[in-house]
Amino acid sequence: KAGVTQTPRYLIKTRGQQVTLSCSPISGHRSVSWYQQTPGQGLQFLFEYFSETQRNKGNFPGRFSGRQFSNSRSEMNVSTLELGDSALYLCASSPVVAGPSQFFGPGTRLTVL
Amino acid sequence: AQTVTQSQPEMSVQEAETVTLSCTYDTSESDYYLFWYKQPPSRQMILVIRQEAYKQQNATENRFSVNFQKAAKSFSLKISDSQLGDAAMYFCAYRNPWWDDMRFGAGTRLTVKP
Repeated sequence: KAGVTQTPRYLIKTRGQQVTLSCSPISGHRSVSWYQQTPGQGLQFLFEYFSETQRNKGNFPGRFSGRQFSNSRSEMNVSTLELGDSALYLCASSPVVAGPSQFFGPGTRLTVL
Repeated sequence: AQTVTQSQPEMSVQEAETVTLSCTYDTSESDYYLFWYKQPPSRQMILVIRQEAYKQQNATENRFSVNFQKAAKSFSLKISDSQLGDAAMYFCAYRNPWWDDMRFGAGTRLTVKP
């Protein structure tokens, strides 16, 4: 089976712009979670989707949003980018909600100038 | 709130030797999952080993094993016969079985010396 894929792998934006990141889970996986990784804050949970519904959300401002499509692919959107949004954004998929295994994609490296 | 603590920012081991990475966590739940993930320079998070809290037996995966002490809320990772390819950041993680909110420790950078 193909692993979790994320596009694009690298992205450079300027402050105030918005960005959309995409994640395709492993075939058959219906749960998708997003994480932000920064040197200062480490790995932080953003949100989790299952069957097109957001089930859980981390402590991030409303500028961070996401959605999941019927084929389980997920997108994450960040509006009005700030310098502090520069990070590695990781997507992970699971067969079921909060199951024992979660598989990560390679991440999208976002740089905000 | 559940927290995960890795008190060793950096560790070093000689090739072929054994090293133990420490992790403690705080939770009031009795059922949960614990994980060790490896993140090499490629930044791809790779699952190393998983432990279900209801299982008393410590999980093992080839050269990797854990020492799970539920009462002490301790979850250490032992890497035997260390190899150069083991060099990476290692993250300890906790997950509640009802919510998909995985909590990570700050990570331990492991260096393997030839």
